[in-house]
Amino acid sequence: SAVISQKPSRDICQRGTSLTIQCQVDSQVTMMFWYRQQPGQSLTLIATANQGSEATYESGFVIDKFPISRPNLTFSTLTVSNMSPEDSSIYLCSALGGAIDTQYFGPGTRLTVL
Amino acid sequence: AQTVTQSQPEMSVQEAETVTLSCTYDTSENNYYLFWYKQPPSRQMILVIRQEAYKQQNATENRFSVNFQKAAKSFSLKISDSQLGDTAMYFCAFMKHWRSGNTPLVFGKGTRLSVIA
Repeated sequence: SAVISQKPSRDICQRGTSLTIQCQVDSQVTMMFWYRQQPGQSLTLIATANQGSEATYESGFVIDKFPISRPNLTFSTLTVSNMSPEDSSIYLCSALGGAIDTQYFGPGTRLTVL
Repeated sequence: AQTVTQSQPEMSVQEAETVTLSCTYDTSENNYYLFWYKQPPSRQMILVIRQEAYKQQNATENRFSVNFQKAAKSFSLKISDSQLGDTAMYFCAFMKHWRSGNTPLVFGKGTRLSVIA
């Protein structure tokens, strides 16, 4: 299995600002993903973080709002830009590890936008 | 596109009893994986059990087992000898085989399980 850490674990931010969330995996993984979980809801995929190239975004999510980097096989960042209260959610990163047949999750970042 | 449906928003069970959570899915893929994840109030997503579609044998992990019916596209989770620590949100999830390309998880809406002492 892969052990995944995220920073920060939580943050309270002002409207109009940006926050960058870091995701670190303890081993090299083929795929990394970013999900959003709005209050009381299930997880929705934001994008696939591709190593060395632009992320692949799902419908409804755009690079200007959620820029993603993945400089190597163990690390990725997600930035939530120009935040509004509607961005208040839990953001989780995951990695496809081991025998590339199971996704493991980081502990999540709880974001509150005032 | 794949979809996952969990028709039970909430369930409760007495401690030490058995409970079954339902999940159905829709896909045109032949090779895929199915998962149950648990999310306690700490919000950490914890893998409970995994099933590979090409395996007919139902997966089992200690008190947790699944009833996988591929033709019916059904994947239920049975929790035996329920414990207070099983109280959590349970998500059923689908993932294409990695050979099919990009493999994010598709989640159901979740079932909130409460174990009562």
